[in-house]
Amino acid sequence: DIQMTQSPSSLSASVGDRVTITCRASRGITNSLAWYQQKPGKAPKLLLFAASKLDSGVPSRFSGSGSGTDYTLSISSLQPEDFATYYCQQYYSIPPLTFGGGTKVEIK
Amino acid sequence: QVQLVQSGAEVKNPGASVKVSCKASGYTFTSNAIHWVRQAPGQSLEWMGWIDGGSGNTKYSQKFQGRVTITRDTSASTAYMELSSLRSEDTAVYHCGIGGHYFMDVWGRGTTVTVSS
Repeated sequence: DIQMTQSPSSLSASVGDRVTITCRASRGITNSLAWYQQKPGKAPKLLLFAASKLDSGVPSRFSGSGSGTDYTLSISSLQPEDFATYYCQQYYSIPPLTFGGGTKVEIK
Repeated sequence: QVQLVQSGAEVKNPGASVKVSCKASGYTFTSNAIHWVRQAPGQSLEWMGWIDGGSGNTKYSQKFQGRVTITRDTSASTAYMELSSLRSEDTAVYHCGIGGHYFMDVWGRGTTVTVSS
């Protein structure tokens, strides 16, 4: 199974800050990566797929990049509604689909 | 719009089985896979398996092989996930989600399953 490691596990940031979250796969996944946002008590929401493609309706302040084993999710200007936990998920080698451990973005 | 409505919370004894349903609407049921993902309290997401809404073919995580069965009823646009031989570590919120075979672009709200004697 491909292991997904996210960093940091949590971060504190202010509204307007640029935030970057990293996801590292245990082997190359050729951009077969999705990012989700989850708020407490809610279901995850798809943000990006194929490492850099925004899902429909997702604000353009979210972006994704990377290649090989290393990928990043960036939020260009953090908004109050962006405080949540973010997960990466690989779909290069399945089954199983595997998720990262999550990154909690908190208010500074 | 696309909606997934899951069955209500369950409390089960260790060793029992649980069957969770996921009723879909707003799209052609047979055109998507339905995934099941669980989340234990304070933990990350864990994929359990999927069923192809059209063919009925299934794929399971090796971790749950032999304990999980995913089925669907196309006439009711509903998918089911049954987990047997429950133990306390199976206490979690169980989500269904639809998409292709690779990621989920619509999720159900989740069903809380508590395993306790």
